[in-house]
Amino acid sequence: DAGVTQTPRHEVAEKGQTIILKCEPVSGHNDLFWYRQTKIQGLELLSYFRSKSLMEDGGAFKDRFKAEMLNSSFSTLKIQPTEPKDSAVYLCASSPDWVQDTQYFGPGTRLLVL
Amino acid sequence: QQKVQQSPESLIVPEGAMTSLNCTFSDSASQYFAWYRQHSGKAPKALMSIFSNGEKEEGRFTIHLNKASLHFSLHIRDSQPSDSALYLCAVTGYQNFYFGKGTSLTVIP
Repeated sequence: DAGVTQTPRHEVAEKGQTIILKCEPVSGHNDLFWYRQTKIQGLELLSYFRSKSLMEDGGAFKDRFKAEMLNSSFSTLKIQPTEPKDSAVYLCASSPDWVQDTQYFGPGTRLLVL
Repeated sequence: QQKVQQSPESLIVPEGAMTSLNCTFSDSASQYFAWYRQHSGKAPKALMSIFSNGEKEEGRFTIHLNKASLHFSLHIRDSQPSDSALYLCAVTGYQNFYFGKGTSLTVIP
């Protein structure tokens, strides 16, 4: 079975640009997560979907971050407008059932905002 | 809001040593506890998980959970250089889940 795929793997953006990150979860998984990872803050949850419904919109990340799940096999994370502090690794993960099962992570997108 | 904390932040051990990593949580109703390992530049990958109090062993790895003391741990027997990575603990509560910030482990040959 294919794992979680993410594109692009690397992204460089100018401050103020709009960028869209893409994720394809493991086939058959009900739950999809978007995280941001930095050395200082660790893993921060941005959004969480269960069966395509948005369950968690990331609180403090709501203003400029918007995740969508267009169908059960594809999700996007839009950052608009980007700021230098958004430079981080963005990870997508999926799970059959987050309550009692592990999450399977994609390779991540490394974003640099200049 | 659940608080999940890991200790130590970083650890350096010689090859062959026993390594112990700790994770504390604040919600006694938490249901599911897991450890993830993340090698440098790679995605986190689930290592082991446990639901109920006690111990679970898989190869060189043992996970121990004590819900009453709000603590669970990962023990690595005969640590290898390939075990060098960031170790993340994860705790699932009622309608929420949290990751710790991680322990960076370096195993020196």
